[in-house]
Amino acid sequence: KAGVTQTPRYLIKTRGQQVTLSCSPISGHRSVSWYQQTPGQGLQFLFEYFSETQRNKGNFPGRFSGRQFSNSRSEMNVSTLELGDSALYLCASSLGAANNGYTFGSGTRLTVV
Amino acid sequence: DQQVKQNSPSLSVQEGRISILNCDYTNSMFDYFLWYKKYPAEGPTFLISISSIKDKNEDGRFTVFLNKSAKHLSLHIVPSQPGDSAVYFCAASASNSGTYKYIFGTGTRLKVLA
Repeated sequence: KAGVTQTPRYLIKTRGQQVTLSCSPISGHRSVSWYQQTPGQGLQFLFEYFSETQRNKGNFPGRFSGRQFSNSRSEMNVSTLELGDSALYLCASSLGAANNGYTFGSGTRLTVV
Repeated sequence: DQQVKQNSPSLSVQEGRISILNCDYTNSMFDYFLWYKKYPAEGPTFLISISSIKDKNEDGRFTVFLNKSAKHLSLHIVPSQPGDSAVYFCAASASNSGTYKYIFGTGTRLKVLA
């Protein structure tokens, strides 16, 4: 079966701009989680959506937002980009119950200049 | 506050020897733990998991040990192979908290030398 698809793979944006990243989960998976990976910080949890509702949120500023559509596809938006937002953004899908493991996409590498 | 810690940023091991990657956690509510492996330019891939009702889980060359009293888990890879060279992340969740999220450590870069 198809894996988790993230688009685009690479993105370069200017400070102050906004960006939207997309994630298509594995068919049948209703939970989508987003993580930010930066060197030395590991994977930092952004938020998790299940059946179009945000169930969990990490400690990121309000510039980071997301949504999930009825087909479980999810988008993540970052407004007013800062240089420190440069990172690999990873999306993970799961069935959504406790102790269901994640399947990750390959990520979107965002560079803010 | 880093609830899941991997204190060794890197580890080098000779091919054929044992690799031991360590992970510590602070939240006593964590009851499910996973290890992921990540190659450059790819997303993390699931390796092995363990529930807090167990203290050991094996899958081929990979074994995870859990010491609940010490809030410590370790991943053993025996024998280590050059293809195991990657960044390894441990992750933890509190399944009874209703939060449905995994907290990841900062990763350990393993290099297996041929």
